[in-house]
Parts: sequence; C-alpha cells; structure tokens
Amino acid sequence: DSGVTQTPKHLITATGQRVTLRCSPRSGDLSVYWYQQSLDQGLQFLIQYYNGEERAKGNILERFSAQQFPDLHSELNLSSLELGDSALYFCASSVEDFLGGNTIYFGEGSWLTVV
Amino acid sequence: ILNVEQSPQSLHVQEGDSTNFTCSFPSSNFYALHWYRWETAKSPEALFVMTLNGDEKKKGRISATLNTKEGYSYLYIKGSQPEDSATYLCAFKVQKLTFGTGTRLTIIP
Repeated sequence: DSGVTQTPKHLITATGQRVTLRCSPRSGDLSVYWYQQSLDQGLQFLIQYYNGEERAKGNILERFSAQQFPDLHSELNLSSLELGDSALYFCASSVEDFLGGNTIYFGEGSWLTVV
Repeated sequence: ILNVEQSPQSLHVQEGDSTNFTCSFPSSNFYALHWYRWETAKSPEALFVMTLNGDEKKKGRISATLNTKEGYSYLYIKGSQPEDSATYLCAFKVQKLTFGTGTRLTIIP
C-alpha cells in the first residue's frame, strides 16, 4: 500500500458525460500528479500540483481540469467524455518535486470506461 | 521534444538467469532518473531514484547504474525469479517526470 488513495476504482459512463476522479496523497506529501495510461501508450503526464498551486502541465486536454484543495487532496475533472478517454488514470504524490530527487508514490488508479 | 526510450520492449528470461535493460534519455538539463516496477493490476512501485552521474543503486537482486553524460541508465536483475515478471519503467525528470513505455519482463520457470 503506497498510501495514495484514489476513488472510484472503476467507473463506466456514457459519452458526453462528466466525471470527477479523486485522489488523497500520502500524509505529508505536498505534490500531486495525474497520469493517464491508455491501451497503446505509456504513462502520459497530465498535470502536477504543489501545495495547491499548478506546477507543471503536460498533455492535458482542455476538456480536463484539475485542482488541489487546501487539505491537499486533488480532483481530476473530465468533461464531454469521448470513447478515447477510456483509460487508467493514476494519481501520484511526493514530498516535493523541485529537482525530481524524491520518490513518487502511485495510487492504484481509477479505471474509466466510456461507452 | 523530450524522449525517454527503453529497450528492449519485451524480454523473456529463463529463471535463474541474469538480465539487464536500458533507459535512454536526453543528456542535457538532467535532474533525476527514476526506475519503477509495475506488475499487472497493481500500481507502479518505485525502485530507485538516481541523481548523480555514476550513481549505482542496489535493492536485493536488482541494481541500476546511471550515466548522465551519455544519457543512459541500466537496470540489472541477477538470478531472475518468477516474481520479477513485471514491466520496468524509467522516468526522466526535467520540468516534469516523463516515463518511457517500459520493458516487459517475463521470467520463464
């Protein structure tokens, strides 16, 4: 158990809908990351927050948004869902990530299926 | 464009044999190189975080080396066991942590 908690574990929804994925980082971790794992691709970085502020942005679609709350949990909002958004979405956390020297711990992921 | 490349893509190794695989990354602006072990239906598990050229890290039968000047890292597994079967990911840190597509290792009993 990494200490990173993600909910829900599985989610099936229809195209055009909106879903919210939730992540609670490890106790004491200030950085939260979101990654997408699709069938034919590796882990694709979406976005990172550090202590409530957006720190780095990757290949995140405009239909997707995220935020980190004062209690450090984070939510990833996916809207106007398309079939191609079906993927495993990972949340990860670390103490901080200024130089990348800290271990990043992954949650078990949220499986999203868009039908 | 930032590319992290791993080779081989997949590997079958006889139980008891040793093996190694490669992670290549851009050698400029290096911050850190991470190795992860990812078993099916589980979350990626951190193995090593390497930050200095010439770093060598070891965890049981698994070890890793780092050459930041030429932009590569090797992961070695000594005396492979069936439980070593997994996908091994490396990730390169510049502004963000970028993952390679992994080396899928299967140990044949």
